[in-house]
Amino acid sequence: GENVEQHPSTLSVQEGDSAVIKCTYSDSASNYFPWYKQELGKGPQLIIDIRSNVGEKKDQRIAVTLNKTAKHFSLHITETQPEDSAVYFCAATPPYNFNKFYFGSGTKLNVKP
Amino acid sequence: GAVVSQHPSRVICKSGTSVKIECRSLDFQATTMFWYRQFPKQSLMLMATSNEGSKATYEQGVEKDKFLINHASLTLSTLTVTSAHPEDSSFYICSASEGLVSSTDTQYFGPGTRLTVL
Repeated sequence: GENVEQHPSTLSVQEGDSAVIKCTYSDSASNYFPWYKQELGKGPQLIIDIRSNVGEKKDQRIAVTLNKTAKHFSLHITETQPEDSAVYFCAATPPYNFNKFYFGSGTKLNVKP
Repeated sequence: GAVVSQHPSRVICKSGTSVKIECRSLDFQATTMFWYRQFPKQSLMLMATSNEGSKATYEQGVEKDKFLINHASLTLSTLTVTSAHPEDSSFYICSASEGLVSSTDTQYFGPGTRLTVL
């Protein structure tokens, strides 16, 4: 099955700086890659997703890039704010098992004011 | 849109009792619902997938007789932890997808239920 690795496990940045979280996946057939933000004691919230037919997607301060050849995708947060502090999870989904999301291990982002 | 609710948010029960957790999609019809378990500082572990009106599909290692899942309608799924023990204490999260069975659609997560078994 699919294997997703996520780095770094923790990331501290100064408010206003950019943050980048990277994920690699093993199955070249995977075609859907969502990113979730999870605050303490809450469920994950979808923040952005990308499908394999595009290389980049942006939504205000958040962007995701996908490199299918290298089998990695990244989350970019610009102009970070303290409220961006949370745990971020990436996931990959192959089409032959469309129900199952393979999650990364998570990145704890700390934005220092 | 795409709001998923869970009830209760927290539950404390005695060892040996059963606990039911409800998951509802509030503004869409969920073809598929998923149940996850999450330990502190860890990623989400898929327990089972359920389609409305069908039996749930459990992941390897998940006891189907202990974690009973019912998906009676397109907006409601329930997880019952039977004969709960302290090791079942965890954060249980459901998610719902409105997509067709044949396509990959995003999952919207509920707020989670914190189960503590004494």
